[in-house]
Amino acid sequence: EDQVTQSPEALRLQEGESSSLNCSYTVSGLRGLFWYRQDPGKGPEFLFTLYSAGEEKEKERLKATLTKKESFLHITAPKPEDSATYLCAVLRNFGNEKLTFGTGTRLTIIP
Amino acid sequence: DGGITQSPKYLFRKEGQNVTLSCEQNLNHDAMYWYRQDPGQGLRLIYYSQIVNDFQKGDIAEGYSVSREKKESFPLTVTSAQKNPTAFYLCASSQNRGDEAFFGQGTRLTVV
Repeated sequence: EDQVTQSPEALRLQEGESSSLNCSYTVSGLRGLFWYRQDPGKGPEFLFTLYSAGEEKEKERLKATLTKKESFLHITAPKPEDSATYLCAVLRNFGNEKLTFGTGTRLTIIP
Repeated sequence: DGGITQSPKYLFRKEGQNVTLSCEQNLNHDAMYWYRQDPGQGLRLIYYSQIVNDFQKGDIAEGYSVSREKKESFPLTVTSAQKNPTAFYLCASSQNRGDEAFFGQGTRLTVV
């Protein structure tokens, strides 16, 4: 059974205070790991896909990294508009190809 | 603008009634999905479709039905057999199964 665990459940940061969100996963053959951002009452917005250990991707103040067991979403000098829930999901390489989602990290940036 | 449109945004249903949620995409994507989101839980897959006139059950298909008569449309019916239908429903699409999925804005269904 594929599993995705995100930590912390919630995180409050001051504006400009950098930090990282963690996504630990267990999957039989990783095809891809996906990061999404979700604002309250809205659908998830795609951020990144990572395919292999060592891969990194960046977008504005966000940087995602991947190892064989976990992924980190680093947030550098965040702004209040970065406040959202960040979701991580994994896709298995073979067999039942479905995304398995974590429960998310609710990030709040305080001005 | 290309994207995925879900309607309605809010839906109220009486117990014992069937209700259909709409999902339309103009991204020309082959694969479409329905997820359910509950507080404190990850998104759970209800049904998915890789091509027109074909669809597969996800993890929690009981009490739901779908159709895929057109590439751009993938409606979800929540039947009276679904014991706990109150939730936030999300439709998504991707170019191919395995590619990143793009989501609609969701439909919040409440049973009254």
